[in-house]
Amino acid sequence: NAGVTQTPKFQVLKTGQSMTLQCAQDMNHNSMYWYRQDPGMGLRLIYYSASEGTTDKGEVPNGYNVSRLNKREFSLRLESAAPSQTSVYFCASSTTGNYGYTFGSGTRLTVV
Amino acid sequence: QKEVEQNSGPLSVPEGAIASLNCTYSDRGSQSFFWYRQYSGKSPELIMFIYSNGDKEDGRFTAQLNKASQYVSLLIRDSQPSDSATYLCAGGGGGSNYKLTFGKGTLLTVNP
Repeated sequence: NAGVTQTPKFQVLKTGQSMTLQCAQDMNHNSMYWYRQDPGMGLRLIYYSASEGTTDKGEVPNGYNVSRLNKREFSLRLESAAPSQTSVYFCASSTTGNYGYTFGSGTRLTVV
Repeated sequence: QKEVEQNSGPLSVPEGAIASLNCTYSDRGSQSFFWYRQYSGKSPELIMFIYSNGDKEDGRFTAQLNKASQYVSLLIRDSQPSDSATYLCAGGGGGSNYKLTFGKGTLLTVNP
């Protein structure tokens, strides 16, 4: 059982480049989330999708867009990467009833 | 703004001792609380969740919740070196709102 799969695991971008982080879950979860984790800042919510067909902004959405492609997949796009977006990005999913999240393994992104 | 506060640590305990991790939250509407363990370079892993006032035990772990004081704690009995990790406290709303707010984490070191 794969759980939550994120790709890629590592990425280096130049300032101004764009990229999409992919996330897929095979647990039939309704809700999916994108967080970033920075030293001293903890996990901060970027965007979330409470159910298929809906997306909403979290705490730090500027510079990002998301797409809930179907129930399994939730992607995060950086249109024009900036050094401030250097971070570790985690995708997570949860089922109805709020029994907590299952996290993917993360994407370590460096913008130079 | 919803906040979850944790002592950043590091908290150092000898092997076999009880480790006590604490967390306070600002949002009185939060109904669900979670403890995650995160090893260095890895993704957060759910270890406990608690919804009701009082204690909840699972093996060597006990979560405690006091909604009147807006306080959550995690006790780890018979601490092992493998328990050395960062522990994240998270709180969330009830109903269909499954968004979690995370604390910045407490680094626990268990010394052999």
